[in-house]
Amino acid sequence: DGGITQSPKYLFRKEGQNVTLSCEQNLNHDAMYWYRQDPGQGLRLIYYSQIVNDFQKGDIAEGYSVSREKKESFPLTVTSAQKNPTAFYLCASSARRALQETQYFGPGTRLLVL
Amino acid sequence: AQSVTQLGSHVSVSEGALVLLRCNYSSSVPPYLFWYVQYPNQGLQLLLKYTSAATLVKGINGFEAEFKKSETSFHLTKPSAHMSDAAEYFCAVTRGGSQGNLIFGKGTKLSVKP
Repeated sequence: DGGITQSPKYLFRKEGQNVTLSCEQNLNHDAMYWYRQDPGQGLRLIYYSQIVNDFQKGDIAEGYSVSREKKESFPLTVTSAQKNPTAFYLCASSARRALQETQYFGPGTRLLVL
Repeated sequence: AQSVTQLGSHVSVSEGALVLLRCNYSSSVPPYLFWYVQYPNQGLQLLLKYTSAATLVKGINGFEAEFKKSETSFHLTKPSAHMSDAAEYFCAVTRGGSQGNLIFGKGTKLSVKP
């Protein structure tokens, strides 16, 4: 059963702590994306990757980092430099990074600050 | 630069009534447009997309949208609302240039009254 998995469903971060959100896809997609969702703000792009070992900053990359060591995995680290990390984080993938390609979304991870 | 405006952050309809969710876009190039639906605490699911093949696009769950270039609109409609349609709906446009990234509107939350 193909799809995108994100873990954990809920994540709690303490002050000064880095946390990593997992995103895995078994769709054999080349492109992967991370979005942040805040109430009333829609989705904002954090990072995206077109191919293994390559990734680009999106609109709100400050305080975040990513890696793409395997085609199926695109983990996001929320660093201590991100001062307002509380949000719903969504991972997506598409077959290619082309204009008409559909992005498919995972179920999301909700990050809360203790 | 590309942008999306969704008119109305909240829309309420009665069960069986017409659903109309408005989306206007701004694009310097021929756009690709998408509608996604999000149920509470879940990821986004594609409803339909416009890729220039036909101006009237039919999607899942009885939804459709019409691309009107003269009005720069891509409104989402459904003839008869069902209780299960209650969710948040997002319109998105493909970012211009060679990128396949999406720019999302801020969303419209649809409530369906019995």
